[in-house]
Amino acid sequence: GESVGLHLPTLSVQEGDNSIINCAYSNSASDYFIWYKQESGKGPQFIIDIRSNMDKRQGQRVTVLLNKTVKHLSLQIAATQPGDSAVYFCAETTDSSYKLIFGSGTRLLVRP
Amino acid sequence: AAGVIQSPRHLIKEKRETATLKCYPIPRHDTVYWYQQGPGQDPQFLISFYEKMQSDKGSIPDRFSAQQFSDYHSELNMSSLELGDSALYFCASSSSGTGHSPLHFGNGTRLTVT
Repeated sequence: GESVGLHLPTLSVQEGDNSIINCAYSNSASDYFIWYKQESGKGPQFIIDIRSNMDKRQGQRVTVLLNKTVKHLSLQIAATQPGDSAVYFCAETTDSSYKLIFGSGTRLLVRP
Repeated sequence: AAGVIQSPRHLIKEKRETATLKCYPIPRHDTVYWYQQGPGQDPQFLISFYEKMQSDKGSIPDRFSAQQFSDYHSELNMSSLELGDSALYFCASSSSGTGHSPLHFGNGTRLTVT
């Protein structure tokens, strides 16, 4: 399949460790943020979202943190597993927009 | 659960030819989006449709056009293809017209222009 993330920053973690992936967004007016996971040859897969009136949201093994002051998002993955290996993208949009803008991805590699 | 369906999965065309990509959104989703992703790149927004009307436009070349039909499926038409059009093209759909609903993506059409 298509190789995604040939020249992306890479985060390498040991299986079982926690992972933190960071993202800086560009538009101070953005009020909705999404993290996507993309495996080779596949489309982006929704992981978790957060609205700008929140600073933290938890899902299953994942937590998203939002710092609007410095326009920063992070995705925390607990007990990282080999199946978590993929490219991760943050994306932003506004309430009045019909487009989602992606940030640069980060490749996560999980070492067994 | 039904997902976004894109066809074809792979497409090979020559320069100056035309291509048509199809997208079938998740049932009851009224908004579709098209994205282009080059190797090692993040997905770039091309265009979106809400209730069959163009709702937003991104970096879509004038050689490309798209529409959403009465059954909510969408087609991306690409003419005068160039080598640089080789990329993965993703369609996504959502259930509301504005930002606070996650987009669900298909697995893309891989276009190769030779």
